[in-house]
Amino acid sequence: GQQLNQSPQSMFIQEGEDVSMNCTSSSIFNTWLWYKQDPGEGPVLLIALYKAGELTSNGRLTAQFGITRKDSFLNISASIPSDVGIYFCAGQARGSGGSNYKLTFGKGTLLTVNP
Amino acid sequence: EAGVAQSPRYKIIEKRQSVAFWCNPISGHATLYWYQQILGQGPKLLIQFQNNGVVDDSQLPKDRFSAERLKGVDSTLKIQPAKLEDSAVYLCASSLWTNTGELFFGEGSRLTVL
Repeated sequence: GQQLNQSPQSMFIQEGEDVSMNCTSSSIFNTWLWYKQDPGEGPVLLIALYKAGELTSNGRLTAQFGITRKDSFLNISASIPSDVGIYFCAGQARGSGGSNYKLTFGKGTLLTVNP
Repeated sequence: EAGVAQSPRYKIIEKRQSVAFWCNPISGHATLYWYQQILGQGPKLLIQFQNNGVVDDSQLPKDRFSAERLKGVDSTLKIQPAKLEDSAVYLCASSLWTNTGELFFGEGSRLTVL
């Protein structure tokens, strides 16, 4: 099956620093998404990217859909304590049957922000 | 707008026992998903419904897992008999469209199998 390689696995930063994480795959995806999961909660969608090369921002978050369609990155600027959590990339492609869309998640990046 | 509701939040059972989880998606969302999230991993799709029909259950261990969405609204996921490796958080999600990847997740049901 399709696999996503997400890095780094974890990051420990100081409040105010910028953060960058990325996701790569050997497969092509037609959509890249970034989710954040807080402890004891389900993942929440942060940013969705639908076109190769697309660069999208959501407040302090910026994400890009790689031109090869096999990678994506997420940047967080001027981190704050509430940015703490696990960030997941997810790639979507058509399933083998052709009629459904399969969403595959990476293993996540654990972000810790020191106030 | 009410979010995705799941119950129970926590369940502890012994191996070989059975357990059932319930999910009520966001009103109007035709697509419903059950994901399994093992500690330290990303969510893994178990089954996807479109209304009350199964779209993808290729990763559902059908010898012990079953799921239904009889009226195209709420859904149940059952495990019988449970194994130690089934200890995980079971996440339900729903979406308005099937081709965007924009899922709304519930809080999850944490299962511990002893």
